[in-house]
Amino acid sequence: GIQVEQSPPDLILQEGANSTLRCNFSDSVNNLQWFHQNPWGQLINLFYIPSGTKQNGRLSATTVATERYSLLYISSSQTTDSGVYFCAVEKWGGNSGYALNFGKGTSLLVTP
Amino acid sequence: NAGVTQTPKFQVLKTGQSMTLQCAQDMNHNSMYWYRQDPGMGLRLIYYSASEGTTDKGEVPNGYNVSRLNKREFSLRLESAAPSQTSVYFCASRTAYEQYFGPGTRLTVT
Repeated sequence: GIQVEQSPPDLILQEGANSTLRCNFSDSVNNLQWFHQNPWGQLINLFYIPSGTKQNGRLSATTVATERYSLLYISSSQTTDSGVYFCAVEKWGGNSGYALNFGKGTSLLVTP
Repeated sequence: NAGVTQTPKFQVLKTGQSMTLQCAQDMNHNSMYWYRQDPGMGLRLIYYSASEGTTDKGEVPNGYNVSRLNKREFSLRLESAAPSQTSVYFCASRTAYEQYFGPGTRLTVT
């Protein structure tokens, strides 16, 4: 299956700082999503972004499909941004089925 | 809409016991999924159901069975629980493009 690598694995920021999380993937994809897992364990959809750029408030994401990477930007971070950020990708057709492959995540801690 | 719901939220089993984790969605999605999450491993797919009446193995299916009872419900069964199955289990459903998760079941096998 497609390999998904996320970096950095861990990140500590002070409130108000900006950060960039990266997701590299090993093959062309039809679907790419970013999720946030909050400290209570809930997984929340952030973006569906197989290509291009999207923004939602202080968060934005860019996927460069031809170069097989995606970036998640967090600006003016807040303590509520803490948690684990997962990138997940999917390639349709072949033997891969119809299911997302997840990276191991970036664990973010935002301190006051 | 409740979205994706899972029961129970917590469970402790002894080795060899069996149990079924329940999942239901009210978003009329065709596809449903079961994942397990272990520290440092991300989410790994156990089984999925692309549509009512079909199920397929994922990355880590050994020791589990599933039933797609109807379009809303997708259950995961552990026939003989082992300590290696201690994990947090997530159910999900999706549209063609976006996936939505339930709150998870934290399972401990002693």
